[in-house]
Amino acid sequence: ETGVTQTPRHLVMGMTNKKSLKCEQHLGHNAMYWYKQSAKKPLELMFVYSLEERVENNSVPSRFSPECPNSSHLFLHLHTLQPEDSALYLCASSHSSAVAGEQYFGPGTRLTVT
Amino acid sequence: QKEVEQNSGPLSVPEGAIASLNCTYSDRVSQSFFWYRQYSGKSPELIMSIYSNGDKEDGRFTAQLNKASQYVSLLIRDSQPSDSATYLCAVNGIQGAQKLVFGQGTRLTINP
Repeated sequence: ETGVTQTPRHLVMGMTNKKSLKCEQHLGHNAMYWYKQSAKKPLELMFVYSLEERVENNSVPSRFSPECPNSSHLFLHLHTLQPEDSALYLCASSHSSAVAGEQYFGPGTRLTVT
Repeated sequence: QKEVEQNSGPLSVPEGAIASLNCTYSDRVSQSFFWYRQYSGKSPELIMSIYSNGDKEDGRFTAQLNKASQYVSLLIRDSQPSDSATYLCAVNGIQGAQKLVFGQGTRLTINP
């Protein structure tokens, strides 16, 4: 595997379900990010992790819960989501959060909440 | 005022012509600037970064930065149909925060 991988690529869940999104980076980077991309809206930063420590929580509802067990893996745990949470969820990584600009994105998880 | 603004398009350009994509940002002290390309159904891919005033060229792509005018642009020379995509402008350092703020993106179509 190379670059940034994400699983699953597609997910349909009901509002009462609990699911998790997984991201893995194979680039030796120290920072990882979760973004949300909705139609006709800019990419929204959700969370930033630097060396497994959360450094940014961009006013995200508590129904989204991130976890970063090591610098290569990032999870986004989902529970009691709303239909408006349907979007493309993108994971990205960079060398460090101090040099946040050159980010490498995974393919994304297309989430549909029914 | 949005922190990073782009014309959402669509911008249509004939094959072989120069495509010009523009972006403005709100915070004069922003530090670094990036262009990402996103094909339909795919994730964003970094294509250019620029850190100081002036032009930076990479192949058919030229990024231009004017910090006094808070303006960054991307020129694509000899446009190809494969350049058809959404181009995202991203700015790092708005309000001193080390994080990227993205514009809405400009959808570019190159017509054969």
